[in-house]
Amino acid sequence: SQQGEEDPQALSIQEGENATMNCSYKTSINNLQWYRQNSGRGLVHLILIRSNEREKHSGRLRVTLDTSKKSSSLLITASRAADTASYFCATHARGNEKLTFGTGTRLTIIP
Amino acid sequence: DAGVIQSPRHEVTEMGQEVTLRCKPISGHNSLFWYRQTMMRGLELLIYFNNNVPIDDSGMPEDRFSAKMPNASFSTLKIQPSEPRDSAVYFCASSLAGESKNIQYFGAGTRLSVL
Repeated sequence: SQQGEEDPQALSIQEGENATMNCSYKTSINNLQWYRQNSGRGLVHLILIRSNEREKHSGRLRVTLDTSKKSSSLLITASRAADTASYFCATHARGNEKLTFGTGTRLTIIP
Repeated sequence: DAGVIQSPRHEVTEMGQEVTLRCKPISGHNSLFWYRQTMMRGLELLIYFNNNVPIDDSGMPEDRFSAKMPNASFSTLKIQPSEPRDSAVYFCASSLAGESKNIQYFGAGTRLSVL
């Protein structure tokens, strides 16, 4: 089963609105990362939050992490048409180099 | 840097044929990952290498799949014989292991269609 589960699976909002996606995971982590995938392309790293951090900002992105609930959220503010993509969370556990990716949220921004 | 380079971008083959996918990681990166992405199963890790050595191949579906990394700048994923259920997008990614972040950089993928 997937380590990470994103919620919702799909989200459609009007341009200019904020988009929030959630991720839940099952085991202890070293860090949690969010990636974006445009249609037909590879995944691109967006932002990383360490296990001892609770909130991180990067431009229009805001990530929160609650290790007690094993959950994270990604907020995209003032959405743009170019934000249309799938978004994945990925967890990194200590002791190895691999990431475990979630199932993704498909975000559609309506112009 | 040119990023992670995969070839071919698209591959169409007939069932039973051998398929070889290629990947050139980012120069200086010492970990390399092969993933498969389908609508049904999402993104699956097939195998990863650290310093050219296979570390975890538990995601390789069956003996028809094999992967090699003969040097730090090249890796192959081979399917022999191919089957229609192998149709998917295959991604290669690389990272700099040893730093605490383990951020991965993905190639553009190879879209494989097995007829």
